Amino acid sequence: QQQVKQSPQSLIVQKGGISIINCAYENTAFDYFPWYQQFPGKGPALLIAIRPDVSEKKEGRFTISFNKSAKQFSLHIMDSQPGDSATYFCAASISGAGSYQLTFGKGTKLSVIP
Amino acid sequence: NAGVTQTPKFRVLKTGQSMTLLCAQDMNHEYMYWYRQDPGMGLRLIHYSVGEGTTAKGEVPDGYNVSRLKKQNFLLGLESAAPSQTSVYFCASSREDRDNSPLHFGNGTRLTVT
Repeated sequence: QQQVKQSPQSLIVQKGGISIINCAYENTAFDYFPWYQQFPGKGPALLIAIRPDVSEKKEGRFTISFNKSAKQFSLHIMDSQPGDSATYFCAASISGAGSYQLTFGKGTKLSVIP
Repeated sequence: NAGVTQTPKFRVLKTGQSMTLLCAQDMNHEYMYWYRQDPGMGLRLIHYSVGEGTTAKGEVPDGYNVSRLKKQNFLLGLESAAPSQTSVYFCASSREDRDNSPLHFGNGTRLTVT
């Protein structure tokens, strides 16, 4: 049973456009939702994270929107740049339960074309 | 500050051969993890460790063994490699998980089993 469903699998956006990646979860006990960014040939790295007590978190051009009732969260990349081209993973976990139970989505490969 | 270092970066094995992947971290992290990444499958946890001398199974442990004899090192072994183990393997580490500390990943080992 896939606990975190991520879409789309791949995304092509023009430079300056908005990239949107969506995730849905099933386990209502999840209370921590990080996004990881992975460049080609590198390991993933934490990009931004949100807890369900807020509906939105913004860091620079990156924004997480969270809808607790719909059990959905999304990553928005404003003014997308070619340097944003990477694979993005959403994830979910239960605070204090151990990072080993962090559940990842299957990833979205973003390509930003000039 | 190297972070998480994985060796080797690339390896080709024949079916039935054995090998050990080495992961070393210099951040004094308690938790360490081994993931595999396959196209369309995201990141799947193989084994993890919550401290020196401890190991536990993750989502896809079959065919792999691990050891954590020293806090800074986490070894992943394949006793009899199979083509299904062709993948990119990532090691990660994190602090104790009281506050959802982020995972720090290495840059991966690309393994091909022929």
